[in-house]
Amino acid sequence: DAGVTQSPTHLIKTRGQHVTLRCSPISGHKSVSWYQQVLGQGPQFIFQYYEKEERGRGNFPDRFSARQFPNYSSELNVNALLLGDSALYLCASSLEGSGGFNEKLFFGSGTQLSVL
Amino acid sequence: GENVEQHPSTLSVQEGDSAVIKCTYSDSASNYFPWYKQELGKRPQLIIDIRSNVGEKKDQRIAVTLNKTAKHFSLHITETQPEDSAVYFCAASRASGTYKYIFGTGTRLKVLA
Repeated sequence: DAGVTQSPTHLIKTRGQHVTLRCSPISGHKSVSWYQQVLGQGPQFIFQYYEKEERGRGNFPDRFSARQFPNYSSELNVNALLLGDSALYLCASSLEGSGGFNEKLFFGSGTQLSVL
Repeated sequence: GENVEQHPSTLSVQEGDSAVIKCTYSDSASNYFPWYKQELGKRPQLIIDIRSNVGEKKDQRIAVTLNKTAKHFSLHITETQPEDSAVYFCAASRASGTYKYIFGTGTRLKVLA
């Protein structure tokens, strides 16, 4: 049974460029969340999606956007890249994203983005 | 705002000794507290979790305790082994509104053989 898969694993971009990161949740999971992990810090919440609807957004600028597809996979887009966007971007999936009694977040291995 | 403080930032212990990592959360509505282990270059992996209706939970060498009044929760690892060396993150979340985790800043645990 496959876990959360993310692509690509590594990416190098230059300032001002645009990037798209992809995520496939665990089979049967309907909610996808995105987190940014800067080196030496804990992951920071960016977005949560459930049934193609945005359920929540963290404290990130409008350059960050995301969407969820009918098959529950998701894309994270970042426009006008800045040096400070360099980080590990983690995708996590959960059954319904409601925080119910047995709800847990399962993380992918992440996409390491370097902005030069 | 919502915040989770985690201490210490680094911890070195001799193999066989115990390790304790402590977290404090600010959102009194938080009701779920997972702990993740992250090895270098790998995904965060859930190692144990606790809900607000429970004060303590144990799984072999790992235990977590929760003090809701003080808004503290702690991870205890006994009989540490070299493979326990990793970065450990605590997190807090609530089952209302956006389902998101607020993570601590992490503790780098080194188990010395």
